[in-house]
Amino acid sequence: DSGVTQTPKHLITATGQRVTLRCSPRSGDLSVYWYQQSLDQGLQFLIQYYNGEERAKGNILERFSAQQFPDLHSELNLSSLELGDSALYFCASSGAAWGNQPQHFGDGTRLSIL
Amino acid sequence: GESVGLHLPTLSVQEGDNSIINCAYSNSASDYFIWYKQESGKGPQFIIDIRSNMDKRQGQRVTVLLNKTVKHLSLQIAATQPGDSAVYFCAEIIAGYSTLTFGKGTMLLVSP
Repeated sequence: DSGVTQTPKHLITATGQRVTLRCSPRSGDLSVYWYQQSLDQGLQFLIQYYNGEERAKGNILERFSAQQFPDLHSELNLSSLELGDSALYFCASSGAAWGNQPQHFGDGTRLSIL
Repeated sequence: GESVGLHLPTLSVQEGDNSIINCAYSNSASDYFIWYKQESGKGPQFIIDIRSNMDKRQGQRVTVLLNKTVKHLSLQIAATQPGDSAVYFCAEIIAGYSTLTFGKGTMLLVSP
């Protein structure tokens, strides 16, 4: 058990809809990262928050947004969903702002767009 | 980014053998490397890490070797067990950054 909790485990919705994925980091970790894993693109970094502030941005679509709350949990919002957004979405956390500590991953949310 | 696709490189070994999984990383400015294990239905699980000022690091049954000259990383698993069957990813972080860039992944299959 990595200590990172993601909910829900599975989400099935339709094109055009909006969903929110939730992540609780390991106790004491200030950084939260979101990744997308699809069959054709592998694991891709989306966005990082550190202590409530956006720290780094990767290949995140404009239809996607995230935030980190004062209690350090994070939410990833996906809107105007398309079939191609079907993927596994992982959250990871670490204690550092910079990348010199391992990131620990949750078990992901599997998003299926019908 | 790297593509995993449906056709991961696969390494098949017998239980008790030693396994070596290789990874070519992409950026000579990367200074921190991590190996992850991902089992079906689970998130990537941290195995071992190494910084660029080292060329070898050992853990429990695992050893990571780093060759910066040829930008190559390897993970050695001693006395491989069926429970080691999973997809293994190397990941790199460029100095001064925080984002992981993952390699393609290698599927390890261990037969009893």
